[in-house]
Amino acid sequence: ILNVEQSPQSLHVQEGDSTNFTCSFPSSNFYALHWYRWETAKSPEALFVMTLNGDEKKKGRISATLNTKEGYSYLYIKGSQPEDSATYLCASSNRDDKIIFGKGTRLHILP
Amino acid sequence: DTAVSQTPKYLVTQMGNDKSIKCEQNLGHDTMYWYKQDSKKFLKIMFSYNNKELIINETVPNRFSPKSPDKAHLNLHINSLELGDSAVYFCASSQVLDSVYEQFFGPGTRLTVL
Repeated sequence: ILNVEQSPQSLHVQEGDSTNFTCSFPSSNFYALHWYRWETAKSPEALFVMTLNGDEKKKGRISATLNTKEGYSYLYIKGSQPEDSATYLCASSNRDDKIIFGKGTRLHILP
Repeated sequence: DTAVSQTPKYLVTQMGNDKSIKCEQNLGHDTMYWYKQDSKKFLKIMFSYNNKELIINETVPNRFSPKSPDKAHLNLHINSLELGDSAVYFCASSQVLDSVYEQFFGPGTRLTVL
């Protein structure tokens, strides 16, 4: 059984500051790591999919890194804006295509 | 132009009833999924279908029966509803059955069992 852990559970960041949070996952039988952005009352929206150790992906002010050997991924947000307030979900899948989601990191941007 | 749609958005029903939630995707994807978001906000996969064929069936009570009439639709039928079935159910689709591909989620159906 895969366990995907995300930390912190909740985070308050001042507008304009940069921040990052972590997703850890079992490295054995790893296949892919997903990051989703989930706004309240909406559905999760895919940000990144990463498969290779050392992968780094970027979309605007948001970027993510992947370390498959030690089983962690970081999500970075540079210069936080109010619209970044959301829950960021991480999901890991193994080679049997079983996808497990973490509980998410709830990000609040303070004006 | 909704990519993945679910109906109804809200469903309130009595314990013991049978209900269905419908899901449709217009993305031309081959794979569809049902997830349950439990009270602790976990998203847990319940089923996945690839080209109308059941691929993943997690430990879900057999009161839950998915039905895929075609690859654009995956409906979830629940028999003899119980209080513990109250949750938000999300449908999702992806291009192929390969978790490298991102999933597109529907808006969710909030089921309340009284």
